[in-house]
Amino acid sequence: QKEVEQDPGPLSVPEGAIVSLNCTYSNSAFQYFMWYRQYSRKGPELLMYTYSSGNKEDGRFTAQVDKSSKYISLFIRDSQPSDSATYLCAMSQSTGNQFYFGTGTSLTVIP
Amino acid sequence: NAGVMQNPRHLVRRRGQEARLRCSPMKGHSHVYWYRQLPEEGLKFMVYLQKENIIDESGMPKERFSAEFPKEGPSILRIQQVVRGDSAAYFCASGQQGLNTEAFFGQGTRLTVV
Repeated sequence: QKEVEQDPGPLSVPEGAIVSLNCTYSNSAFQYFMWYRQYSRKGPELLMYTYSSGNKEDGRFTAQVDKSSKYISLFIRDSQPSDSATYLCAMSQSTGNQFYFGTGTSLTVIP
Repeated sequence: NAGVMQNPRHLVRRRGQEARLRCSPMKGHSHVYWYRQLPEEGLKFMVYLQKENIIDESGMPKERFSAEFPKEGPSILRIQQVVRGDSAAYFCASGQQGLNTEAFFGQGTRLTVV
């Protein structure tokens, strides 16, 4: 079983839709959770960084962490064509030396 | 406010040659991570370094791969005697205080072995 599971998509939505992206994980020791956006042939760009359970909002983006279910989500409101990219979840333990990444979900927002 | 700088962006090497990938972290960051990304796969951890120290190289192949982060200058990921299977995108990330703070990625080096 992979440490982090993420549906690769592709996901296609109309402009203005609410997008929900999700990851599940198996290691209950994960405490820090991140979402990255990666455009084609570019480096991952950090979108959200959260610690433990709860919600965090930043503009059109909301990150949710449910540690009891080992499930994290990223919501994008009022999606724009410029949001079309691959979204990667990542997580880490409070001890340890690496981030564990999902394989990414490819999102296309259609004008 | 320069971000993480990686060079070269693209590198072509013949089988058996050496590849050197460079990473300059963000200003004020002393922690560097190297990751490899293959098509349709997620980012795979290779090595974590602080200035002059390798903290964790558990993700790096035992042979042909090495990494350093000297007191002065960029971090270097070195691949000796490259093989076709080394073709991938290599990303460097830097952080200010270690793993449990935000890590910011560079644009990557795309290595092609011909």
